[in-house]
Amino acid sequence: EVHLVESGGGLVKPGGSLRLSCAASGFPFNIAWMNWVRQAPGKGLEWVGHVKAKSEGGTTDYTTPVEGRFTVARDDSKNTVYLQMNSLKTEDTGVYYCTTGYASTWYYWGQGALVTVSA
Amino acid sequence: DIQMTQSPSSLSASVGDRVTIICRASQDIRNDLGWFQQKTGKAPRRLIYAASSLQSGVPSRFSGSGFGTEFSLTISSLQPEDFATYYCLQYNSNPFTFGGGTTVEIK
Repeated sequence: EVHLVESGGGLVKPGGSLRLSCAASGFPFNIAWMNWVRQAPGKGLEWVGHVKAKSEGGTTDYTTPVEGRFTVARDDSKNTVYLQMNSLKTEDTGVYYCTTGYASTWYYWGQGALVTVSA
Repeated sequence: DIQMTQSPSSLSASVGDRVTIICRASQDIRNDLGWFQQKTGKAPRRLIYAASSLQSGVPSRFSGSGFGTEFSLTISSLQPEDFATYYCLQYNSNPFTFGGGTTVEIK
């Protein structure tokens, strides 16, 4: 059975940092591209960033509003992907989901972690 | 960045209706497009990938079509469990981008 479990969400002040984790099981994590997607309260979905499989370079890409502040990283030995969020802004508030890659025939997603940035 | 324009933003329909949602890309994305369904308070679920391939486990009343810049998601006979918000996503070029969403409501 496949599981993607996000953790690390919570309340943080503007300018602060938070690290989300997404623990995966039940599929070949090492060949999966891993994405982070977020949703602000009452708004639509926004792709945040991804990390490619190490066999494809392990590189990362980000949406413009988070470039330079957020970092996606993976630890294949732990089947875990991370989202390090620095210099947080109130507009970063929302639910953050980790998902597998979009080009694959198989696709999995987590249930989300709530991040609230507020003074 | 590639802009994904989804229409309509909302629609009202009855059980049994045929429903079509359109997504237009600001530039050619080949068939690198997925469709997602999200119910209130739940994580989004993928319905379609590669523009027209049905995700395993998704009912066959859902279908996708298109290539290049214009795409559509069709529900052939709307069921009560289909009332939700639908999003398209292009994964052809970084940064990946979602459409604004289409909320399907009960008439």
